[in-house]
Amino acid sequence: AQSVTQLGSHVSVSEGALVLLRCNYSSSVPPYLFWYVQYPNQGLQLLLKYTTGATLVKGINGFEAEFKKSETSFHLTKPSAHMSDAAEYFCAVSGADSWGKFQFGAGTQVVVTP
Amino acid sequence: SAVISQKPSRDICQRGTSLTIQCQVDSQVTMMFWYRQQPGQSLTLIATANQGSEATYESGFVIDKFPISRPNLTFSTLTVSNMSPEDSSIYLCSGLPGDTQYFGPGTRLTVL
Repeated sequence: AQSVTQLGSHVSVSEGALVLLRCNYSSSVPPYLFWYVQYPNQGLQLLLKYTTGATLVKGINGFEAEFKKSETSFHLTKPSAHMSDAAEYFCAVSGADSWGKFQFGAGTQVVVTP
Repeated sequence: SAVISQKPSRDICQRGTSLTIQCQVDSQVTMMFWYRQQPGQSLTLIATANQGSEATYESGFVIDKFPISRPNLTFSTLTVSNMSPEDSSIYLCSGLPGDTQYFGPGTRLTVL
């Protein structure tokens, strides 16, 4: 079974500042990890994913995340926040023992201030 | 990847009635899912929609309340039956063509 913890339900960043969203997971099998973004009144859009291979993954809109097995983490970063990054971000995990069933974190609401 | 559409995008319904939500995928997908997202919360999996057989429901969700159909590999429906205000949520479908889930835009349901 898998679970996901997102630290911080709300994050406020200044435009141009670093965005850091934290995600820790637990999994009894090698995990597949995902970050999704949800803009107001819209569905979820995939930002990036880690399945196998390189542990630093790059996604859309300048976001990247690093899989750290020793820390069971998959934190999401963006060097310079833009106003358009204001949204809710969800970390999700799945594993080979429950293929297709994604466990989502509680979400982090990002507010970007001028 | 997969592009997923849902109908309706939103609806306001009366207590005790039922609403059927349609989900269409632009390509065949091995698995489809239905989620509920209550206001201000994360996604909760309702069920896995199985093609040609009964859906697999998660704990706390039952077929009588949320009947699901999946007649082929690109289409599924979710019915919310005998609705109450507690059913007011966003309902999202998703498709899994490989190792990544792709989501529809959601159906925003308000029950009065």
